[in-house]
Amino acid sequence: LAKTTQPISMDSYEGQEVNITCSHNNIATNDYITWYQQFPSQGPRFIIQGYKTKVTNEVASLFIPADRKSSTLSLPRVSLSDTAVYYCLVGGLRAGNMLTFGGGTRLMVKP
Amino acid sequence: DADVTQTPRNRITKTGKRIMLECSQTKGHDRMYWYRQDPGLGLRLIYYSFDVKDINKGEISDGYSVSRQAQAKFSLSLESAIPNQTALYFCATSDFSSGGYNEQFFGPGTRLTVL
Repeated sequence: LAKTTQPISMDSYEGQEVNITCSHNNIATNDYITWYQQFPSQGPRFIIQGYKTKVTNEVASLFIPADRKSSTLSLPRVSLSDTAVYYCLVGGLRAGNMLTFGGGTRLMVKP
Repeated sequence: DADVTQTPRNRITKTGKRIMLECSQTKGHDRMYWYRQDPGLGLRLIYYSFDVKDINKGEISDGYSVSRQAQAKFSLSLESAIPNQTALYFCATSDFSSGGYNEQFFGPGTRLTVL
C-alpha cells in the first residue's frame, strides 16, 4: 500500500479556502486517491475520491497533477464545523479495498 | 451513520477477560472491516472480510479474532484482553465494484478500556 505524507496540523479562519496537500510518491497505477474527514470520537467520513486531474463535489475539490505523486484537497470557505482531522489515502483493487490511514492533518478553523 | 451499528458503544473490562464487539449493517454491503484507533493516531486495520466465507488479517491482527456470522454481521473478539488493547474500535463496510476503489462507511465506534 502506498505511503502518504501530509502536514500534521493546519490553522485557518472562517471563510477562508483551505488547501491540504498529500504526498504519495509510490502510488501505483491502479490506486485511487481518497480523502476522509473525522470528527472527535466519530468514524471517518468519505469526502472525495479521484484518480487524476480534478474532481469536485458539493463539499470539496481534489486536484491531482499528471504524475499523481501528490494531491491537494481544497475546502472552500471553511466554517468552524470543518474543524476535524483529514486523512489522505491511496489504494485500489490491488489492495483489495483496504485502507491505510496515516496520522492525518488536524485542521483547526478559528472564528 | 445509523446504517452501521456497533455494540457496545463503551466497555470497561479487566485484563484476561474475553470481549466481543459486534457490528451490524443494513447497507447490504458485502465487505466489512474492523479498525482500531489509538489516541491522536490514525486507524489501523485489524481484520477484513469480503464475503461470509472470506476472512483476512489486517495490519494488526495478533490478539484478535473475528467471525462473519452473516453478510450483515461481523464480530471482533479479544480472547484475553490486555491493557494495550485499550482503544477506539471502528467497524466499516463497503460494496464491491469492479470499477475501482470504494467508499467505506464507518460505524460510531466502540470505546474499549482494559484495566
